[in-house]
Amino acid sequence: GDSVTQMEGPVTLSEEAFLTINCTYTATGYPSLFWYVQYPGEGLQLLLKATKADDKGSNKGFEATYRKETTSFHLEKGSVQVSDSAVYFCALSYNNDMRFGAGTRLTVKP
Amino acid sequence: ETGVTQTPRHLVMGMTNKKSLKCEQHLGHNAMYWYKQSAKKPLELMFVYNFKEQTENNSVPSRFSPECPNSSHLFLHLHTLQPEDSALYLCASTETRGGSDTQYFGPGTRLTVL
Repeated sequence: GDSVTQMEGPVTLSEEAFLTINCTYTATGYPSLFWYVQYPGEGLQLLLKATKADDKGSNKGFEATYRKETTSFHLEKGSVQVSDSAVYFCALSYNNDMRFGAGTRLTVKP
Repeated sequence: ETGVTQTPRHLVMGMTNKKSLKCEQHLGHNAMYWYKQSAKKPLELMFVYNFKEQTENNSVPSRFSPECPNSSHLFLHLHTLQPEDSALYLCASTETRGGSDTQYFGPGTRLTVL
């Protein structure tokens, strides 16, 4: 079945460092791809999405590009802040069936 | 009020209690979901409702009983729970008409079973 694999955490970075969180997927169709973020004590919030190959989703300085050839949707940010500390989930959806990765915890230190 | 709301935000219950979790979405969506999020485990889909009809039940124990009286409200009735049911329960909604597949989540109910 369809699935998502994302890099295990935790990831610890210093403020202003470059962030990459890897995500790859397996799907039989052409899914939409998502990154959700979960701040402490809260639910999941949509961070960005891409619906077709070569689309780039972006929000709050985060970016991810839908790469069909490598079945990837890696999350990047050029300069992280302490306030970016959270758990990040990669997900795919096809025919309203959404599958989530296990989540990657990011801690950014001042 | 906008988005997806859940009440209560925190709940502590004994194994013999009966309680209910409530979810309300103000987005005009037609589908609603219950997820369970346990520590160090992937997000688990529990139930899916589409136009008030249950379309998915992922082998959830009968001590969890969902109810969807209309497209805006979703309940999860709890009875005789076990300590391993302690988790964050998340509600989500989406609009399936028109091909959208983005799910919008509530803040969750943190459940502790003693």
